[in-house]
Amino acid sequence: DTAVSQTPKYLVTQMGNDKSIKCEQNLGHDTMYWYKQDSKKFLKIMFSYNNKELIINETVPNRFSPKSPDKAHLNLHINSLELGDSAVYFCASSQGLAGSTDTQYFGPGTRLTVL
Amino acid sequence: GDSVTQMEGPVTLSEEAFLTINCTYTATGYPSLFWYVQYPGEGLQLLLKATKADDKGSNKGFEATYRKETTSFHLEKGSVQVSDSAVYFCALRNTMDSNYQLIWGAGTKLIIKP
Repeated sequence: DTAVSQTPKYLVTQMGNDKSIKCEQNLGHDTMYWYKQDSKKFLKIMFSYNNKELIINETVPNRFSPKSPDKAHLNLHINSLELGDSAVYFCASSQGLAGSTDTQYFGPGTRLTVL
Repeated sequence: GDSVTQMEGPVTLSEEAFLTINCTYTATGYPSLFWYVQYPGEGLQLLLKATKADDKGSNKGFEATYRKETTSFHLEKGSVQVSDSAVYFCALRNTMDSNYQLIWGAGTKLIIKP
């Protein structure tokens, strides 16, 4: 039933490790996003994919690499984790880019803690 | 560039109080405006939206009117409940941006005390 799901919900890891977060949407949407929310709740877009093509790639360290195997999935791989990567990462999806009123549907978030 | 400014929180109110959370924006053209809500431990959900000047979005007792003359989209509710405690985000999407990216405010935490 879940529209946008993410795994894992919590991720605790050591500095220097490599980790992945997975996202899936069953809404049939064409566009998916990754956001980072810091401790002050500030929400910053990282990436956006439309039909498996990268369309937004904000200033994000190249340790972060999104991968979209199909339009229902957008995974986020992070290499060489740093303390500053600790945050909540949200996946979202929307129908497409055609409408300015498009609603984004968010996953429950993945709380990443780097020790 | 486009931007959204929200009042800083946290905003603390008693149950049944009147709520206003201010949101102003800067954008070229005619953006669409949104309020999203994030309940504790959850993702963001769309609360309401407005697509053109003087439109009023409403949902769950919340309202916001798109005011082009003051570039504002303030969120209001006549009588808040404890269950309204959450973080509220104002956002805009500019039709002149080919990526239709959402531009987010910083969020305002609302705490309602019984």
